[in-house]
Amino acid sequence: QQQVKQSPQSLIVQKGGISIINCAYENTAFDYFPWYQQFPGKGPALLIAIRPDVSEKKEGRFTISFNKSAKQFSLHIMDSQPGDSATYFCAASTAWGKLQFGAGTQVVVTP
Amino acid sequence: KAGVTQTPRYLIKTRGQQVTLSCSPISGHRSVSWYQQTPGQGLQFLFEYFSETQRNKGNFPGRFSGRQFSNSRSEMNVSTLELGDSALYLCASSLGGDQETQYFGPGTRLLVL
Repeated sequence: QQQVKQSPQSLIVQKGGISIINCAYENTAFDYFPWYQQFPGKGPALLIAIRPDVSEKKEGRFTISFNKSAKQFSLHIMDSQPGDSATYFCAASTAWGKLQFGAGTQVVVTP
Repeated sequence: KAGVTQTPRYLIKTRGQQVTLSCSPISGHRSVSWYQQTPGQGLQFLFEYFSETQRNKGNFPGRFSGRQFSNSRSEMNVSTLELGDSALYLCASSLGGDQETQYFGPGTRLLVL
């Protein structure tokens, strides 16, 4: 079963808008939450990551919000650009090398 | 630094055959993880190797196996291929500590006919 639930499956946003992707988890042992971006024909690339002792982390236009009590975390892409059109995956980890991925969100940014 | 490289990039096999995929990690990285990516199941963890030892394993049948060499390069083997094994196989390398960033290769696309 999917240990990390991701939504929405896809979203369309206008250039300059905000893209929001949500993830939820059940396993409270997860202690590392990265987000990956994947373009067609490429492997996933790390975008930003957070640990559960931090409620928010911002890197450029990308922000992770983390709610430990609700077991939810989300990615906000501010000022979305056409180059941000990609599939985004949230993930969670408890142990070496084993990332549990969400199902992915296909983001399309229209000009 | 060169990134993670995977060979071959594309492969076509028939049911019942076996296949070996190769992964060369980033120089200095000692951990290699393997993932299967399919449209239906998404990204699923296969196994992780560190210093030639399997440290972690996902929920895949025994037909899926791997190994790591002393230079950290890793191979993944799938025996008795099934149609459902058609997927993009990704490997990722990291330094090997807990919560280290995993850097993914471009993947090997396997088609089983």
